[in-house]
Amino acid sequence: GQNIDQPTEMTATEGAIVQINCTYQTSGFNGLFWYQQHAGEAPTFLSYNVLDGLEEKGRFSSFLSRSKGYSYLLLKELQMKDSASYLCAVRGGDYKLSFGAGTTVTVRA
Amino acid sequence: TAGITQAPTSQILAAGRSMTLRCTQDMRHNAMYWYRQDLGLGLRLIHYSNTAGTTGKGEVPDGYSVSRANTDDFPLTLASAVPSQTSVYFCASSETTSGGNEQFFGPGTRLTVL
Repeated sequence: GQNIDQPTEMTATEGAIVQINCTYQTSGFNGLFWYQQHAGEAPTFLSYNVLDGLEEKGRFSSFLSRSKGYSYLLLKELQMKDSASYLCAVRGGDYKLSFGAGTTVTVRA
Repeated sequence: TAGITQAPTSQILAAGRSMTLRCTQDMRHNAMYWYRQDLGLGLRLIHYSNTAGTTGKGEVPDGYSVSRANTDDFPLTLASAVPSQTSVYFCASSETTSGGNEQFFGPGTRLTVL
């Protein structure tokens, strides 16, 4: 089976930086995805990592260490619109996605 | 571009009744998926289809069936609904199942079984 852990909630101030950690234990590995989901809406794609290292996309960066079964999503220069749930998802050896329960980030003024 | 659509948006269903949730994509994606999302549990895969004409079981398939007669449509059927099937259902699609191809999600169907 797949086991994906991420914190339930995080709170940060507008303009600050927040790091959301994700640890995983899966049968095989074919990539890790981060999705953003605003309340009542569908998840939308943020980032994809398949090799170790940092992928940067504007204010968002995602890091992967396959040997440690670890990833993080870094949100910089936080804005109020970044208040959402962030989902870590791992594509296992069977090429299916397994999702963590999500981390709800609240940005305060 | 519509992307991926789902119908209905929400539904209240009596236990024991059957229902089909509809999903259509216009991106010509090969792969399609059905997930349910429950508080504290995250998204769980119900069924998937890697290409038209094929389907497979996900993590929580019991009580659900799917078909993939063509590329665009992937309906999910509940033959005899039970209250534990109360959930938000998301349909998704991706170009393929490999590489960096992300899944695109539909707006969801909120189902309540009483």
